[in-house]
Amino acid sequence: DIQMTQSPSSLSASVGDRVTITCRASQGISNSLAWYQQKPGKAPKLLLYAASRLESGVPSRFSGSGSGTDYTLTISSLQPEDFATYYCQQYYSTRGTFGQGTKVEIK
Amino acid sequence: QVQLVQSGAEVKKPGASVKVSCKASGYTFTSYGISWVRQAPGQGLEWMGWISAYNGNTNYAQKLQGRVTMTTDTSTSTAYMELRSLRSDDTAVYYCARRGYPNYYFDYWGQGTLVTVSS
Repeated sequence: DIQMTQSPSSLSASVGDRVTITCRASQGISNSLAWYQQKPGKAPKLLLYAASRLESGVPSRFSGSGSGTDYTLTISSLQPEDFATYYCQQYYSTRGTFGQGTKVEIK
Repeated sequence: QVQLVQSGAEVKKPGASVKVSCKASGYTFTSYGISWVRQAPGQGLEWMGWISAYNGNTNYAQKLQGRVTMTTDTSTSTAYMELRSLRSDDTAVYYCARRGYPNYYFDYWGQGTLVTVSS
């Protein structure tokens, strides 16, 4: 199975900060990468797919980039509603493995 | 609008089985797959497997092979996930999610079903 490694596992940031989360695959995944946001007690929500395509309705402060094995989620200006846990997921292989998550907390 | 509505919370004893349902609406059920993802308390997301609602093909996580079965009922647009020989470490929230085609990300999720395994 393809392993996904996210970093950092947690971070503290202030409203207005630029935040970057990285995700590394154990092999190339040809941009078959999605990012999800999860708030406590809620189901995950799709933010981006194909590494950089914004899901409908998701604010433009969220962006994604990368290629090959390395990918990045960026929040350009952190808003109060963005404090949550973020997961990457590869869907290059049928077994769509997730990263371990990055918890974004209020500084 | 697309909705996935899951069955309610369950409490099971070790060794028992549980069957969670996921009723889809708002789209053509057989045009997508359904994946199942679980999340143990305080932990991350774990991909369990998926089923094609078109032809019933399945693919399961290796660690669950032999204990999990995913099925669909196209007449009611409902997917099911059965997990057998439950252990305490199967305690988790179980989610169903719509799996796109040909891009296999999950664009809609159910609300989750808490399964507690306890003696």
